[in-house]
Amino acid sequence: GAGVSQSPSNKVTEKGKDVELRCDPISGHTALYWYRQSLGQGLEFLIYFQGNSAPDKSGLPSDRFSAERTGGSVSTLTIQRTQQEDSAVYLCASSLEGHSNQPQHFGDGTRLSIL
Amino acid sequence: DQQVKQNSPSLSVQEGRISILNCDYTNSMFDYFLWYKKYPAEGPTFLISISSIKDKNEDGRFTVFLNKSAKHLSLHIVPSQPGDSAVYFCAAPAGGTSYGKLTFGQGTILTVHP
Repeated sequence: GAGVSQSPSNKVTEKGKDVELRCDPISGHTALYWYRQSLGQGLEFLIYFQGNSAPDKSGLPSDRFSAERTGGSVSTLTIQRTQQEDSAVYLCASSLEGHSNQPQHFGDGTRLSIL
Repeated sequence: DQQVKQNSPSLSVQEGRISILNCDYTNSMFDYFLWYKKYPAEGPTFLISISSIKDKNEDGRFTVFLNKSAKHLSLHIVPSQPGDSAVYFCAAPAGGTSYGKLTFGQGTILTVHP
């Protein structure tokens, strides 16, 4: 079956520009997560959507970062006025919440480079 | 505060031998742990998990051991194969349940030599 799909796979943009990253979760998965991995670092949690509940935004590093999840499916992570420290691989994951021991399934990520 | 730590950045093993990857945690509320494997330019892939009610979980060549008193878990791969060469992350759900946002270790690069 189809896995988590992310687009674009690579994005290069100039400092100060806005970027949008897209995630298509696995069909039927009610939970969706965004993480990022900076060079040489582990994965850092950004935001978590679960069904119709208010998202957990506790990992967003600044108010330049925001995310939406429309119709309980596709999600868009937006970074406004990008800075060089935003360069990282942005990973999306989804899981079948409400069931115990359901692991998160990750997409291949978007590699974001800020010039 | 790094709640999940992988203190070995890299590990090199000969094909056919055992690989042991270690992970320590500081949050005693963690009660579920996962291991992910990541190849370059790909997303992490779930490998194996363990609940705190167990001290061992086995799946083929992969076994995870949990020592709650030491707040330590380890992943054993036996026998190691060149295709196992990847970055391995341990992770724990921050909410103390089997799901929710994950806290990851920094990862260990495993290289298995033919």
